[in-house]
Amino acid sequence: DSGVTQTPKHLITATGQRVTLRCSPRSGDLSVYWYQQSLDQGLQFLIHYYNGEERAKGNILERFSAQQFPDLHSELNLSSLELGDSALYFCASSVAGQSYGYTFGSGTRLTVV
Amino acid sequence: GENVEQHPSTLSVQEGDSAVIKCTYSDSASNYFPWYKQELGKGPQLIIDIRSNVGEKKDQRIAVTLNKTAKHFSLHITETQPEDSAVYFCAANGRGGSQGNLIFGKGTKLSVKP
Repeated sequence: DSGVTQTPKHLITATGQRVTLRCSPRSGDLSVYWYQQSLDQGLQFLIHYYNGEERAKGNILERFSAQQFPDLHSELNLSSLELGDSALYFCASSVAGQSYGYTFGSGTRLTVV
Repeated sequence: GENVEQHPSTLSVQEGDSAVIKCTYSDSASNYFPWYKQELGKGPQLIIDIRSNVGEKKDQRIAVTLNKTAKHFSLHITETQPEDSAVYFCAANGRGGSQGNLIFGKGTKLSVKP
């Protein structure tokens, strides 16, 4: 157990729907990073939050949004889902705002049908 | 934008042989280079990392080397074992080293045959 908790582990939904993925960072970590992993694109950085504030954005679609709450857990919201959004979504956490010592959760597998 | 290229995409070795995976990065200001191992159904796990002020780092059977001039770094696994079979990812910190996010290579699937 890495200490980073992601729920749910699996999610199957229809095109056009909206889902929310949840991540609880390791105790004491202030940063949460979201990544999308698909077969042909590898691990793609989506967004980074540090202590409740957005720090950096990667290739995140406008249909996707995220936030980090006062208790430091984070949610990734995916809307108007398309077949191509099917992927593994990982979150990672680290103590500070830098990338040293990323710890990943076990991911949420999203299948859009 | 920043880019990390990783080779080979697949690697098959006999148990006991060595395995080498190579990566190049584009941002000359990157200063942190971790390697992750991902087993089936699990999230990536950090196995070793190196910072730009060091040229080589070893941890038992794994080692990483860094050439900042050439902007490439490599993972070396010696005396491979079947449990080393996994997908390995290299990464570099993005946007001049000041940002928190890591840019990942596309991964190398390592198979170690008994």
